[in-house]
Amino acid sequence: ETGVTQTPRHLVMGMTNKKSLKCEQHLGHNAMYWYKQSAKKPLELMFVYNFKEQTENNSVPSRFSPECPNSSHLFLHLHTLQPEDSALYLCASSQVIRTDTQYFGPGTRLTVL
Amino acid sequence: SQQGEEDPQALSIQEGENATMNCSYKTSINNLQWYRQNSGRGLVHLILIRSNEREKHSGRLRVTLDTSKKSSSLLITASRAADTASYFCATIMSGSEKLVFGKGTKLTVNP
Repeated sequence: ETGVTQTPRHLVMGMTNKKSLKCEQHLGHNAMYWYKQSAKKPLELMFVYNFKEQTENNSVPSRFSPECPNSSHLFLHLHTLQPEDSALYLCASSQVIRTDTQYFGPGTRLTVL
Repeated sequence: SQQGEEDPQALSIQEGENATMNCSYKTSINNLQWYRQNSGRGLVHLILIRSNEREKHSGRLRVTLDTSKKSSSLLITASRAADTASYFCATIMSGSEKLVFGKGTKLTVNP
C-alpha cells in the first residue's frame, strides 16, 4: 500500500509464547517507528530508530524487544505478553527523524490469550 | 502525554456535505499533520502544515492552523462514502522528535 509492509497481519499467541513482528520499508527512509494502537486510546509511540540506532524508548515494558538490523528492517520481539498487550501494532518510517511525514504499514493485529 | 485532541469524537454526515474536524494542542509545535485510518488498517498521511503557515489545500482537503489559539481544522468538501474513516491530528512539539497523536474523529459518510 504505502511502501511499508508488516508481517504477519494477524497474530494470536499465548502468554508464554515468543513471537516476532516484522516491518520492512522500501522507501529509502532513515527513521523507523513502532506504535501501539489500543481501543479508545491515542496511538502510542513505543520505539524510534534513526540510522539503525534506537533514539527513543517510550517506557515500554521489557517484554517488548525491538531490533533494527538495518535502515530498511525493524522487528519487535514479543515474550511473555499479557492480555492487555492485545492491540494493533503499527510500524512507520520517515526520511528524517524530525518534522517529517511518517508512512505507516498496515499493522499487525495481535491477540494475547 | 496526549498533545492533540480532536473534536468531535464522532461525526455522521450525508454524501456531498462538508465535514469539519478540529484539533487543539497544548504546546508550541514545529508542524501539525493530519492522518486518515480506515478501520483496522494503517494510517495514511493527508497533509502537513508548518507552524508558519495558516492554510493549506490538497484536493478536497483544506487545513487551517491558528497558532495563537493552538488549534487546527480539517475540512473535507463534497464528502464521499469512501471518506468514511477515522481522522487524526498529530503534532511534533518544538524541541522534540516525537509525533504525538490525538484520539481521532470517527467520520461516517452515508450514501
